[in-house]
Amino acid sequence: GDSVTQMEGPVTLSEEACLTINCTYTATGYPSLFWYVQYPGEGLQLLLKATKADDKGSNKGFEATYRKETTSFHLEKGSVQVSDSAVYFCALSANNQGGKLIFGQGTELSVKP
Amino acid sequence: DSGVTQTPKHLITATGQRVTLRCSPRSGDLSVYWYQQSLDQGLQFLIQYYNGEERAKGNILERFSAQQFPDLHSELNLSSLELGDSALYFCASSAQLAGGHTQYFGPGTRLTVL
Repeated sequence: GDSVTQMEGPVTLSEEACLTINCTYTATGYPSLFWYVQYPGEGLQLLLKATKADDKGSNKGFEATYRKETTSFHLEKGSVQVSDSAVYFCALSANNQGGKLIFGQGTELSVKP
Repeated sequence: DSGVTQTPKHLITATGQRVTLRCSPRSGDLSVYWYQQSLDQGLQFLIQYYNGEERAKGNILERFSAQQFPDLHSELNLSSLELGDSALYFCASSAQLAGGHTQYFGPGTRLTVL
């Protein structure tokens, strides 16, 4: 079945460091890909998405590119802030399955001042 | 604020009991999804409704059931509760069924089974 694998955390960075969280997927067909973020004590918020190969999603300085050839959707940010501390989830949605999301296990990011 | 509301925020109950979790989707959204977040299983899809009809089922236990009402709000019923049912339950809504549509999540209901 479809699945998402993302790098294990926790990841601890200093403010202004570069961030990469790896995400790879297995799916039949051409899924849509998402990054969601969960701040402490809150629900999930969409960070960015891409719906077809080579699309780049971006938001709040975060970027991810849908790479069909490597089945990847890595999350990157050039300079993290303390306020970016959260849990990040990579997810896919197969276009023929009603839109349900299949999530990776989540990666906890802690940014220190 | 995503526009999706869930009640209650916290629920503490005993094993063997039954509880109902409620979700109101964003205005205009026809599709409602339920997810369970636990430490050992992560975030898992439970069930989906679209305009009142069940459209997809995930790893939902037979002790769990859900429905979507004519006003589009949804309820998740959990019965014969076990300790392992303790988790955060999220509801999400989207405008359409297609996979590329964004799902907007509610703040969740934290269920503790003692």
